[in-house]
Amino acid sequence: QQQVKQSPQSLIVQKGGISIINCAYENTAFDYFPWYQQFPGKGPALLIAIRPDVSEKKEGRFTISFNKSAKQFSLHIMDSQPGDSATYFCAARGSTLGRLYFGRGTQLTVWP
Amino acid sequence: GAGVSQSPSNKVTEKGKDVELRCDPISGHTALYWYRQSLGQGLEFLIYFQGNSAPDKSGLPSDRFSAERTGGSVSTLTIQRTQQEDSAVYLCASSSSGRALYFGPGTRLTVT
Repeated sequence: QQQVKQSPQSLIVQKGGISIINCAYENTAFDYFPWYQQFPGKGPALLIAIRPDVSEKKEGRFTISFNKSAKQFSLHIMDSQPGDSATYFCAARGSTLGRLYFGRGTQLTVWP
Repeated sequence: GAGVSQSPSNKVTEKGKDVELRCDPISGHTALYWYRQSLGQGLEFLIYFQGNSAPDKSGLPSDRFSAERTGGSVSTLTIQRTQQEDSAVYLCASSSSGRALYFGPGTRLTVT
């Protein structure tokens, strides 16, 4: 059973465009929602994270939007750059300890 | 500071052999996680340690898989009688806050 559902599986965006990746969850006990970025041959790296008491968090060109009632959250990459081409994973966790549940990932390609 | 390190970076083994994968977490991080990533796939949880104990080992795929952590630091993931389906990248992560996970570069295991 997939605890976190992520879409789309792949995304192609023109340089300068907006990339949007969506995730949905069912478990209302989740209280921490990070996004990870992974380049080929590397481990995933934390990009940005949000808690459910906040509806939006922005760090540079990266923004998380969180909709608690809909149990959905999304990553927006503004002014997408070729260097943003990577695989992005959303995740969720239910307590301060314990596993992170990951989405299946989105492969983003930004064309110059 | 030093990040999570894993060794070896690559391991090729014959079907039926045992392998040991090592993870050195970030110093002071009490939580340690093992995930597995198959080619083009998402992140599959294997096991989680808090200190030297493993409160959640529910992701281990079979009894051929085991892991231990000693001194609250280094962890070893052992796969006995390897099978071709065990081929994947094995990722280790550590955490101090119970929130952000910091991943290592992974060990690419190929079973021939």
